[in-house]
This record gives sequence, C-alpha cells and structure tokens, in this order.
Amino acid sequence: QKEVEQNSGPLSVPEGAIASLNCTYSDRGSQSFFWYRQYSGKSPELIMFIYSNGDKEDGRFTAQLNKASQYVSLLIRDSQPSDSATYLCAVTGNFGNEKLTFGTGTRLTIIP
Amino acid sequence: NAGVTQTPKFQVLKTGQSMTLQCAQDMNHNSMYWYRQDPGMGLRLIYYSASEGTTDKGEVPNGYNVSRLNKREFSLRLESAAPSQTSVYFCASSEPGGPPNYGYTFGSGTRLTVV
Repeated sequence: QKEVEQNSGPLSVPEGAIASLNCTYSDRGSQSFFWYRQYSGKSPELIMFIYSNGDKEDGRFTAQLNKASQYVSLLIRDSQPSDSATYLCAVTGNFGNEKLTFGTGTRLTIIP
Repeated sequence: NAGVTQTPKFQVLKTGQSMTLQCAQDMNHNSMYWYRQDPGMGLRLIYYSASEGTTDKGEVPNGYNVSRLNKREFSLRLESAAPSQTSVYFCASSEPGGPPNYGYTFGSGTRLTVV
C-alpha cells in the first residue's frame, strides 16, 4: 500500500470553477501535510501546509485536513489557466522529522 | 538570494560512467535531501542529511553515495551509472523545528540520461 495516494488525473476544470484535489495517507502518526505545485519541466514549489484539523485558507487556495479519515484536500477557487500544473501532496512524521513522503501527483488542466 | 543551486542541469552518461551531482544552499538550512522523480512514481527519497556531518539512506539508496561537505553543500555520486538511473534529480533543503518556517525549498533539478 502506497503511503500517500493521489488520483493521477488528468483532472479538467473550466476556468472560474473550483478545482478539488484529494490525497489520502496511511501513517496515522503523520503530523504535517503539504501541497506543492509543479509545472512541466520545473521543480516543485510549496503552495500550502497544514497541520491542524480543519480548513486553512490562503488567497484562492484552501487546504482541508481530516486526521481521523487520514484525508487532506486542496481547493482552488476561481481557477485560472495558470493553475494548470501537477499538484503533489506530501506528508511528514512528527515535528523535527522533516522527511517528506510524496504522492505521485494529480495533473490539473484548467480549460479556458 | 539563490536558494538551492544544482549543477549540472542536464547530463548524458554512458553505462558504467561515474558522475557527481552538486547541490548548494544559501539559506543556512540544516537539513538537505536528494530525490529522484520518475513518471508515475512521484518523488522518491534517495539520501538525506539532517545536519552537517550526518547522512542517512532514504527509500531508494542503491547505486548512490552522498557527501555532506559542509552545511551548504550536499553532493550525490553515481559510481557506475545504469540505465535505471535515468531520471530527474532534485536537491532540497529545509529548516527543522516545524511551522511557520516549514517545508522544502527545491533546486531546479538535474535531468540525467544513462545510455
């Protein structure tokens, strides 16, 4: 069983709509959760991290965490063509153990 | 502010050749990492260094060695390259201790082809 699972997509969303990206993880001891965006041929860049149950909002992005269900999601509101990329979910262990385990990523395409 | 710098950006090797991928960070981070990224496999940890003078194996260490030369530099060596090592390699660094200064900063990557 993979430690971090994501639907590989592609996920196609009309411009202006909400894109919803999902991730599940197997280690109940995981403490922190990250979303990275990766454009084709580029390196991953950090979008958001979350470590408390509930929602965390930053601009058009909202991360949601449910530790009981071992589920983390990323919502992108008012999707723009520039949001087209692969989104990587990553998790760590306890604070002080920063090794990240990555999912395989979901490819998102925003349709103008 | 350069962040994490990787060299080279591209490399083609013949099977059996050796090479060293260089990585340097200027953010005074303690922890550094090497990952490889393959289609459908995501990012997989090769080796990491929690601090200067320490290194540990990750998920896929076979065929690789590393050196944490000082706090800034963390190199990855392929002693005898194999076609299975064709991949994109990313170096990253982080500062331990948790939020708010959290998460990795990645280098731009090295695209390696072994023929």
